[in-house]
Amino acid sequence: DAKTTQPTSMDCAEGRAANLPCNHSTISGNEYVYWYRQIHSQGPQYIIHGLKNNETNEMASLIITEDRKSSTLILPHATLRDTAVYYCIVRPQTYNNNDMRFGAGTRLTVKP
Amino acid sequence: ETGVTQTPRHLVMGMTNKKSLKCEQHLGHNAMYWYKQSAKKPLELMFVYNFKEQTENNSVPSRFSPECPNSSHLFLHLHTLQPEDSALYLCASSQAPLSSYEQYFGPGTRLTVT
Repeated sequence: DAKTTQPTSMDCAEGRAANLPCNHSTISGNEYVYWYRQIHSQGPQYIIHGLKNNETNEMASLIITEDRKSSTLILPHATLRDTAVYYCIVRPQTYNNNDMRFGAGTRLTVKP
Repeated sequence: ETGVTQTPRHLVMGMTNKKSLKCEQHLGHNAMYWYKQSAKKPLELMFVYNFKEQTENNSVPSRFSPECPNSSHLFLHLHTLQPEDSALYLCASSQAPLSSYEQYFGPGTRLTVT
């Protein structure tokens, strides 16, 4: 069973904010929301993660709704190099359970 | 540069060959992973090692044999592969043992089985 649902693809204009949604309506209380991205033919790259508070780092911001059933990854000023597949993953914080399940993700295309 | 290196970057092998993929991490992590990414499919977790001990084998065929001699190195030994095993093989590492630590991926080895 897929734990997250994401749009298959999105476009964004260069310099604009890219807002990538993710639904995780069955998320459990101990599950974190993670975002990774994969630029073509490269390994996935960690972006950000959070539990219930909004988070921000040098790459992006993560907005999690109060009921935690959905989240949005925000790239504030998208560049052409942000074109990639973006994965939203939910996983619990447990000891020695490193299972991380990738779905199909959202293919973001940043256009000039 | 993520601190995780993989060699070779590209590999073509016949079905009767034996080859090995190598992964090395320079991040001081204690957990290492092998993933497989076939064309137009999501990444699939294959193996997990925590502190050099294998903690997960995700129903991977025995023609794939992992080895973790120390926390910095991970190998995937390949023998009698099938054409459908052609894929991008990705190595990753993270701190252990909490699963909440983010994983850092290498660039992958593009494997073609002929």
